[in-house]
Amino acid sequence: QVQLQESGPGLVKPSETLSLTCTVSGGSISSYYWSWIRQPPGKGLEWIGYIDYSGSANHNPSLKSRVTISRDTSMNQISLKLTSVTAADTAIYYCASPTVGNTVGDFDSWGQGTLVTVTS
Amino acid sequence: DIQMTQSPSSLSAYVGDRVTITCRASQSISSLLNWYQQKPGKAPNLLIHAAFRLQSGVPSRFSGSGYGTDFTLTISSLQPEDFATYFCQQSYDYPLTFGGGTKVDIK
Repeated sequence: QVQLQESGPGLVKPSETLSLTCTVSGGSISSYYWSWIRQPPGKGLEWIGYIDYSGSANHNPSLKSRVTISRDTSMNQISLKLTSVTAADTAIYYCASPTVGNTVGDFDSWGQGTLVTVTS
Repeated sequence: DIQMTQSPSSLSAYVGDRVTITCRASQSISSLLNWYQQKPGKAPNLLIHAAFRLQSGVPSRFSGSGYGTDFTLTISSLQPEDFATYFCQQSYDYPLTFGGGTKVDIK
């Protein structure tokens, strides 16, 4: 299994942009699929989107056009940007992936998560 | 979107009890259903994929069943380390969606 490590600011102001990075070790982001998932404190899980081995991205329509998922293959990193944040975007943000060859949505590798709080 | 409904939302049980959690999908998802265990402050851990396939390293007291819209996670004999929250998730279609969770605590 690969190792995933999220990083980024823990506080973001309302209406600003949330930016997070997931650093992948033990595997290449040029293989398979890499997702972002979030969890408001004490609540359930929401899939945000993925970027695949070719650099193509897909995101949850519930987040409309606020989400951008990109990658830096030289750094082996995945990035998430979420614009125009509100308090509803306060959550623990995880990056996650399946083992290569498994069903794309079977997340057997997770980062430890990073809490992002939207507050003025 | 495919809605995933778990029941119950919480339950209390004794060590050694047999515990069953159900998950219902709003449409058929074939066998593309996963179960995760999450402990406080930790990321979810994949227990079962494709409805009944036990993830490597997961104890055999965990089992899954179901097809189509109705699925079950069973813990045959609850152990102290099993007290946690359990989530189902469909991997049939995008957006991927999760159930609301079932919190299992000590009676």
